Amino acid sequence: AQTVTQSQPEMSVQEAETVTLSCTYDTSENNYYLFWYKQPPSRQMILVIRQEAYKQQNATENRFSVNFQKAAKSFSLKISDSQLGDTAMYFCASRWGSGNTPLVFGKGTRLSVIA
Amino acid sequence: EAEVAQSPRYKITEKSQAVAFWCDPISGHATLYWYRQILGQGPELLVQFQDESVVDDSQLPKDRFSAERLKGVDSTLKIQPAELGDSAMYLCASSLHPAGELFFGEGSRLTVL
Repeated sequence: AQTVTQSQPEMSVQEAETVTLSCTYDTSENNYYLFWYKQPPSRQMILVIRQEAYKQQNATENRFSVNFQKAAKSFSLKISDSQLGDTAMYFCASRWGSGNTPLVFGKGTRLSVIA
Repeated sequence: EAEVAQSPRYKITEKSQAVAFWCDPISGHATLYWYRQILGQGPELLVQFQDESVVDDSQLPKDRFSAERLKGVDSTLKIQPAELGDSAMYLCASSLHPAGELFFGEGSRLTVL
């Protein structure tokens, strides 16, 4: 079975500091996509960042970047200069194969940014 | 900015009753998904539509759940009869095509008493 695992149920970080959320996955596919989604309290889930497995370069979106270690099947999210608005549930997700497959989510990490 | 619309936002029902959720995807999005998110867990796919056709409903409990997207636009997810274990957030998402970025609605939170 293809799985996504987030081993940190909760994390906290001081405002302006950096935090890293962990994610590991298991698949036999060579072609897949990895994502981090953010779900703020009582708001809809939004895409934070995506990574194509065939790309060696780590994806970056402003303060958000990933550390993609394909051999280790690891896909961590780094949030720099944390802001209060970053407080949310963060879900790691993957889409296996060519793309016509549904997203598979991890259980999430609840991140609290403290002033 | 276009959004995925869902209703109702909250629904409280008694077990054995019927309940229905509605989703209106972003205009032009051919692919529509229903996910169930139990408290403290990640979303799990219930059903995926491509236009009006079901692509994947392997995880849909078909004895009590049904989903339709008759005209390939909006969609309804029905539960009958509801059970206590159905209490969850029901998320709808849409994408332009199957490999495209998913856009989620705010969800419908169901509580079964």
